[in-house]
Amino acid sequence: GQQVMQIPQYQHVQEGEDFTTYCNSSTTLSNIQWYKQRPGGHPVFLIQLVKSGEVKKQKRLTFQFGEAKKNSSLHITATQTTDVGTYFCAGPSGSARQLTFGSGTQLTVLP
Amino acid sequence: DAGITQSPRHKVTETGTPVTLRCHQTENHRYMYWYRQDPGHGLRLIHYSYGVKDTDKGEVSDGYSVSRSKTEDFLLTLESATSSQTSVYFCAIAKRGELTDTQYFGPGTRLTVL
Repeated sequence: GQQVMQIPQYQHVQEGEDFTTYCNSSTTLSNIQWYKQRPGGHPVFLIQLVKSGEVKKQKRLTFQFGEAKKNSSLHITATQTTDVGTYFCAGPSGSARQLTFGSGTQLTVLP
Repeated sequence: DAGITQSPRHKVTETGTPVTLRCHQTENHRYMYWYRQDPGHGLRLIHYSYGVKDTDKGEVSDGYSVSRSKTEDFLLTLESATSSQTSVYFCAIAKRGELTDTQYFGPGTRLTVL
């Protein structure tokens, strides 16, 4: 079945440093979604990319979808303590709107 | 948050005990999902539902069953809980977004099986 791999699993950065997480799918995706989970919380939808090579920005967050639609990345510029959490990518799978999630990247921001 | 609640929020039980977790939604969404979350594994799909009485297995369904007798309620049952089922369980619904469906999650249930 479809696999979605995400690296790194953990990342510690000093506040103000940049951060990037990478997502790779074993199959071509029609779209890719990104979610954020704060410590002790539940995953929350951030953004969706659908076009080959697409780049979207949300303030300091930049999301990219690869040309082959099999990989994606999330880049955070100048991290802040509010960025702490686990970031998941997810790709559609199955006929009932299922998603296959990557294992997530847990970001720690040191003040 | 798409009006999703989960109950109980925390539960401690003993091995061999049956456990039922409830997910309730107020917006009449057709698709509902149960995930478990464990360190290093992300979110893994247990079961899902595509309508009343319509359910199917996900990636990690062994030891779990589900029922959906009403649109708003999706129940997850552990017939005989084992320590390997200690986890955080999230319910989710699929909701039409700007482009395609995205998922909205409930607050989660932390289950400990002793």
